[in-house]
Formats: sequence, C-alpha cells, structure tokens
Amino acid sequence: KNEVEQSPQNLTAQEGEFITINCSYSVGISALHWLQQHPGGGIVSLFMLSSGKKKHGRLIATINIQEKHSSLHITASHPRDSAVYICAVTTVGAGSYQLTFGKGTKLSVIP
Amino acid sequence: ETGVTQTPRHLVMGMTNKKSLKCEQHLGHNAMYWYKQSAKKPLELMFVYNFKEQTENNSVPSRFSPECPNSSHLFLHLHTLQPEDSALYLCASSQDLGGSYEQYFGPGTRLTVT
Repeated sequence: KNEVEQSPQNLTAQEGEFITINCSYSVGISALHWLQQHPGGGIVSLFMLSSGKKKHGRLIATINIQEKHSSLHITASHPRDSAVYICAVTTVGAGSYQLTFGKGTKLSVIP
Repeated sequence: ETGVTQTPRHLVMGMTNKKSLKCEQHLGHNAMYWYKQSAKKPLELMFVYNFKEQTENNSVPSRFSPECPNSSHLFLHLHTLQPEDSALYLCASSQDLGGSYEQYFGPGTRLTVT
C-alpha cells in the first residue's frame, strides 16, 4: 500500500512569509494532487501535476519524480491562506483512479 | 462554488436511526466517490461509481449502503451506525476514472452518531 508522508504536520507563519510544505511518496504514481481544506470541511483542488512545476497566483507546486517528492510553496502568505493542505497521489496500475492521501499540513498565518 | 453539493451539511443521529446523505454534481461528470474523513486520519475512499455502476467498495461495513440512480446523483444510506462512524463524509466527482482526472469535492456532511 502506497504511503504519502507530509511535513510539517503543523505550521505557523507570520503574514508575508514564504511557506513550503513537503510531500513524499513511496511508489510509482501517475499524478500528484495538492488540495486545500478550509475549516468547515470543503476541499478545493489546487494542483494536479505529474512532472515539473505549476504556478497559480501565489501558489507554486513542484514535483521531482526521481526523488518521489513534491513541494507546495506559498509566497507572500496571508491569513486567508490558513487551511489544511493535503497531498494525494494516484498510483500506477490496478485501481489507479484511487487517491491515496497524506494526513495534511495545518497552516496558520498570523497577521 | 464547486459544482458539487451535499445535503445535509450537518446530521446528528442515534444508533438506531436510518438516514441518507445526498450528493449532486452539476459538472457533467461520469464518476462519483464517497470519502470518509475521521479526526486526525487521512481521507479514506469508501465507494466509487462510474456511469452509475459501482466499481469499488473499500471493505466498507454494510451499515453504509450507497446508491447511484444516475451520473449526477449519489446517496449514502445509513442505518444502525456506531459512534465511531462520526466523521465528515465527502462526496467528489471527476470527468472519468483515471489518475489524470481532477476530482471536485463537495462541502461535506458532518455526521455525529450518538
């Protein structure tokens, strides 16, 4: 069974700081997803990537397939970025549509 | 606005009750999912439907019974639940099955079993 590990589990930052959240996985994947979950529960998909780097506004996601590692960066962090960030992967092979999730990183951005 | 709606948003039920959770997607997707999110645990996939047919049941107890009458609607029927079933239940949809399709999540139903 694939395992997805995220670090750190909890992160507190001052407004304006550059933030990095890391995700490591243990088997071959077809795609890696970064999700955002706000208090109250709703989940929003931020990125889906299988190679390289993607950018959307202040958010940047990178992936290194050889090292089985991905990072989510937030530039100029803001209190509204406070949420749980979840890494998930879809593996190669049978059941490859299934997402395997990390436990999430809880981010708090303080004004 | 996610295009995936869930009702109710909150539900409190006794262990002998029967209730149903409803999910509706307005995105024209063919695949729909039920997930369970318990405190301090990763999301767990419960059921997957593709074109109304169940393709996955991840060893979910029979007290959870899914129903997919069409590609836009998904239900989760609940009966004789246990307190440990208290969790956030999330519905999601995707265009089709496969790792290259993004999943869109609903807001979830917060279930408390007393």
